[in-house]
Amino acid sequence: EVQLVQSGAEVKKPGESLKISCKGSGYSFTSYWIGWVRQMPGKGLEWMGIIYPGDSDTRYSPSFQGQVTISADKSISTAYLQWSSLKASDTAMYYCARHHLGYSSGWYNYNDYWGQGTLVTVSS
Amino acid sequence: QSVLTQPPSVSAAPGQKVTISCSGSSSNIGNNYVSWYQQLPGTAPKLLIYDNNKRPSGIPDRFSGSKSGTSATLGITGLQTGDEADYYCGTWDSSLSAEVFGGGTKLTVL
Repeated sequence: EVQLVQSGAEVKKPGESLKISCKGSGYSFTSYWIGWVRQMPGKGLEWMGIIYPGDSDTRYSPSFQGQVTISADKSISTAYLQWSSLKASDTAMYYCARHHLGYSSGWYNYNDYWGQGTLVTVSS
Repeated sequence: QSVLTQPPSVSAAPGQKVTISCSGSSSNIGNNYVSWYQQLPGTAPKLLIYDNNKRPSGIPDRFSGSKSGTSATLGITGLQTGDEADYYCGTWDSSLSAEVFGGGTKLTVL
């Protein structure tokens, strides 16, 4: 059974750093992209970026480039999303998902398995 | 402002059919494949449709997807109260080199 299990909820102050995790199991972790999606309170889904754990190839949404860092440790089948200096506007639910990306008469991409989400609250 | 445009809400009675539209451009829907997600209250999104019209294992055939030009449509037949959720379309945007989502549509089953 494919599973993505995320780390628990976090409460941080502005300016603090944070690294949240997403552990995959039940499939070959190095053979699929892992993506991160933000959902601010009461709002829609926003794609942040993806990483291919097999070779650490990483792509970022222009909206999140330079704001976060996506990484992975394939030895423990875990992907990470980190911030060096949090802002109140980073308060959101963050989801990881197994991401498919490829080209066949057009780009295909979709997220077939999702983690349970990690709630990040940034408040002074 | 989302790259893909969806109606904020739709509603229909139990047993009826509803469609949800998703409008984009040639840099996204027009030349790439579309996926659809269901997000029940308080839960993670769930993949309903991928590659415009394919259903993952376990998704009932009450859910269908189609694409024409720069727009896509999710159809749901035999509506149930358990279908009340937010629905999102997604696709790859070749200009942004990024996945983009619609703003989401809240389905109410009256």
